[in-house]
Amino acid sequence: AQSVTQLGSHVSVSEGALVLLRCNYSSSVPPYLFWYVQYPNQGLQLLLKYTSAATLVKGINGFEAEFKKSETSFHLTKPSAHMSDAAEYFCAVSGPNDYKLSFGAGTTVTVRA
Amino acid sequence: EPEVTQTPSHQVTQMGQEVILRCVPISNHLYFYWYRQILGQKVEFLVSFYNNEISEKSEIFDDQFSVERPDGSNFTLKIRSTKLEDSAMYFCASSAWTGREFFGPGTRLTVL
Repeated sequence: AQSVTQLGSHVSVSEGALVLLRCNYSSSVPPYLFWYVQYPNQGLQLLLKYTSAATLVKGINGFEAEFKKSETSFHLTKPSAHMSDAAEYFCAVSGPNDYKLSFGAGTTVTVRA
Repeated sequence: EPEVTQTPSHQVTQMGQEVILRCVPISNHLYFYWYRQILGQKVEFLVSFYNNEISEKSEIFDDQFSVERPDGSNFTLKIRSTKLEDSAMYFCASSAWTGREFFGPGTRLTVL
C-alpha cells in the first residue's frame, strides 16, 4: 500500500519568495508521485508527476519537484511566489500498476503582497 | 486539451433520497474513478472501473453506492439513500493508463 504525508497544513509566503511544500511517501513498490493544485471552488489540476524517469520533474506554472528515494521525499518548490499561486496543494501517490491515487491532507498556500 | 465534465455542479437533496452524479470521461480513456472530498478533509478514493466492472473500491464504497457506464460515454455514481455524512465534493476522473488521471471539476453534494 502507498501513502503520503504532507508536512504543514498551511504555508504563508511573501510574493517573490521561495515556495516549499513538503511531501514524504511510503510505498512498498516503486512509486508514481504527483502534485495537484486546487483553486477555490475548482477541481484538481495536475502540476507535475514523477513516474521513474528523471528525478527532477518540472511542471506547470514554474513549479518543480525532486524525487529523493533516500529521503522518501517529493517536495514541491517554486523559486518566486505569485499571488496567483494561492491555492491548496495535494501530494498523491500510486503504484506503477495501481489504479488509484492516495492523497495527502493538503497544504494551503497563502501569498502575502 | 480534452476535459472530464461533471453534472450537476451542485446537487442539494434530502436525507434518504437517491442521487445520481454524472460524468463524461475523456473519450479514449479506459479507466474511470470516483473520489470524494469532505469539506476540509483530504481527497479520498471511492472506486475504480475498468472493462465494465469495478476494479477496486474503498471501504467507503458500501452497498449504498453503485457505479455504471450506461451508454459508453457517461459514467455515473449513484447513492441509493443519502446520509448527512455523504455531503462532499465528488470528483470523477479518467485515464488512458495508470499514472495519469484527469479530474473533472466536481459535483458538490449537499444532503439536508
